[in-house]
Amino acid sequence: SAVISQKPSRDICQRGTSLTIQCQVDSQVTMMFWYRQQPGQSLTLIATANQGSEATYESGFVIDKFPISRPNLTFSTLTVSNMSPEDSSIYLCSVDSGGGHTEAFFGQGTRLTVV
Amino acid sequence: AQSVTQPDIHITVSEGASLELRCNYSYGATPYLFWYVQSPGQGLQLLLKYFSGDTLVQGIKGFEAEFKRSQSSFNLRKPSVHWSDAAEYFCAVGTSGTYKYIFGTGTRLKVLA
Repeated sequence: SAVISQKPSRDICQRGTSLTIQCQVDSQVTMMFWYRQQPGQSLTLIATANQGSEATYESGFVIDKFPISRPNLTFSTLTVSNMSPEDSSIYLCSVDSGGGHTEAFFGQGTRLTVV
Repeated sequence: AQSVTQPDIHITVSEGASLELRCNYSYGATPYLFWYVQSPGQGLQLLLKYFSGDTLVQGIKGFEAEFKRSQSSFNLRKPSVHWSDAAEYFCAVGTSGTYKYIFGTGTRLKVLA
């Protein structure tokens, strides 16, 4: 199994500012995933981050708004840029256990409130 | 397009009663199916998964789920609910070859003492 630590666990930010969320995994993983969970809604995949290459973004998400770094096999960051109240969500980091669809592990999430 | 539907947004049961949470999926091939639970302020924890083989799968915390291809369903069941089961439950489909998960909208379970 993989243990994922996310920081910060929660934050309240002013509109127009940016927040960087960190995700640390206790083992090396090829793919890391970032999800958004808007209030009362399900999880939506933002992007897939592979080490050594550009992140792949899902429809509706762009790199300028959600830049992602993946400097090594155990760490990734997601930045929420130029925030507005609509960005208030829980952001979750996830990794696949390997071999395709054996299991996805999730961090505890970062609860972001934009005021 | 792939999709997951959880028809029940909220379910309330009494402690000790049985539970069934519904999940229907739309997917062109044999799906990989998952149930996750999210307690307040927590990430998601895997309850159980189905890839192939026996259509009745056992998971943690006394949960089980049955894959029914003819009904495109993967319903979650528990014979006797405990107060600690109060949480939000998500059904998910894994999309072959892309490592992506599509989640349902979730069912929030409330347990009455």
